[in-house]
Amino acid sequence: GQSLEQPSEVTAVEGAIVQINCTYQTSGFYGLSWYQQHDGGAPTFLSYNGLDGLEETGRFSSFLSRSDSYGYLLLQELQMKDSASYFCAVSGNTPLVFGKGTRLSVIA
Amino acid sequence: DAGVIQSPRHEVTEMGQEVTLRCKPISGHNSLFWYRQTMMRGLELLIYFNNNVPIDDSGMPEDRFSAKMPNASFSTLKIQPSEPRDSAVYFCASSPGGGSSYNEQFFGPGTRLTVL
Repeated sequence: GQSLEQPSEVTAVEGAIVQINCTYQTSGFYGLSWYQQHDGGAPTFLSYNGLDGLEETGRFSSFLSRSDSYGYLLLQELQMKDSASYFCAVSGNTPLVFGKGTRLSVIA
Repeated sequence: DAGVIQSPRHEVTEMGQEVTLRCKPISGHNSLFWYRQTMMRGLELLIYFNNNVPIDDSGMPEDRFSAKMPNASFSTLKIQPSEPRDSAVYFCASSPGGGSSYNEQFFGPGTRLTVL
């Protein structure tokens, strides 16, 4: 089976940096993805790591360590609009299995 | 280019009624996924198709649930009969193809289903 663990809630200050961790257990691991979902909206793709290391896309970066079954999403220069839920998801024997999500609240 | 289209956006029905949710994937995408999202269980994959063929329906909770994809531009998820515990947001998503492209899925706006 597959399981993912990520914090349920994180609060950070506007302009700061926040890291959302994700640990996983899975068979047939291909990679780790991150999705963002605003309240009432649909999940939207942020990033994908198939290999170890850091992937950077603007203010967002994502990291993967396959040996540690661990990854994180790093959000820099936080803005109020970044308040949302963030999901890690693993692909393996099934296309995508999502974690329960981390609700990020950005405060002034 | 239009994204994934779902209808209806909201559905309120009574227990025992049949519910049909509809999805039009992004043109050219070969894979289609149906998800259910609830507070308790999170985002769950129900079934997915490649080239209109169902590949894995192990996430379908019961025989009351069925899904079809008669052509590349249309899919339905049917619940018959519906029960209050089916209340959730149902998302349809598509991706260009199989393999690594599964990682970047494009989600529709969802259908919020309430079964009374």
